[in-house]
Amino acid sequence: SAVISQKPSRDICQRGTSLTIQCQVDSQVTMMFWYRQQPGQSLTLIATANQGSEATYESGFVIDKFPISRPNLTFSTLTVSNMSPEDSSIYLCSVRGQGAGANVLTFGAGSRLTVL
Amino acid sequence: DQQVKQNSPSLSVQEGRISILNCDYTNSMFDYFLWYKKYPAEGPTFLISISSIKDKNEDGRFTVFLNKSAKHLSLHIVPSQPGDSAVYFCAASVLGKGGADGLTFGKGTHLIIQP
Repeated sequence: SAVISQKPSRDICQRGTSLTIQCQVDSQVTMMFWYRQQPGQSLTLIATANQGSEATYESGFVIDKFPISRPNLTFSTLTVSNMSPEDSSIYLCSVRGQGAGANVLTFGAGSRLTVL
Repeated sequence: DQQVKQNSPSLSVQEGRISILNCDYTNSMFDYFLWYKKYPAEGPTFLISISSIKDKNEDGRFTVFLNKSAKHLSLHIVPSQPGDSAVYFCAASVLGKGGADGLTFGKGTHLIIQP
């Protein structure tokens, strides 16, 4: 399965600032998924990032708040804009496997953001 | 509205015994189900899956059972080992969409294996 590296692993941010999370995959993948896990909650899909087109956002998430870039098939960024304490979460990047593993998502270790 | 529900936030089991983690879903379109395991400070890792055409899938100590009529699945771990202590997430997807969608997750169950 793919190996996914996320940066930063954790950060403490001030209210009103923005932070960009990077996701690097060791192989080329068509789709990358960004998830959020708020404290005590399930993993919630934010958006699907496709190379060469705009990201597709899930209900409740908007591009102005969570802009996503996907410049090539191995890299994506998620920006959390104008942060508030409610944005304190773990943000996870994931990709689908190939071939027989196409129905399984592989996740990065996550980026734990704390907003003060 | 939670489409995948794990109603037990935590479960404590003695080492060597069977651990049974439960999951319910409401969306009848789901046809592929997965269990993930998550340690602190790590991302979720895939454990085992089952397609809706089956009612059981086994991999070593891990067995997943699916009851489509009840919209219920369970993960059995036997025998339970200390390294099994982690948060377990149930997830579901609709394969008919060509795998284009992400997964829908439950809130997780924290399994604690006691020596």
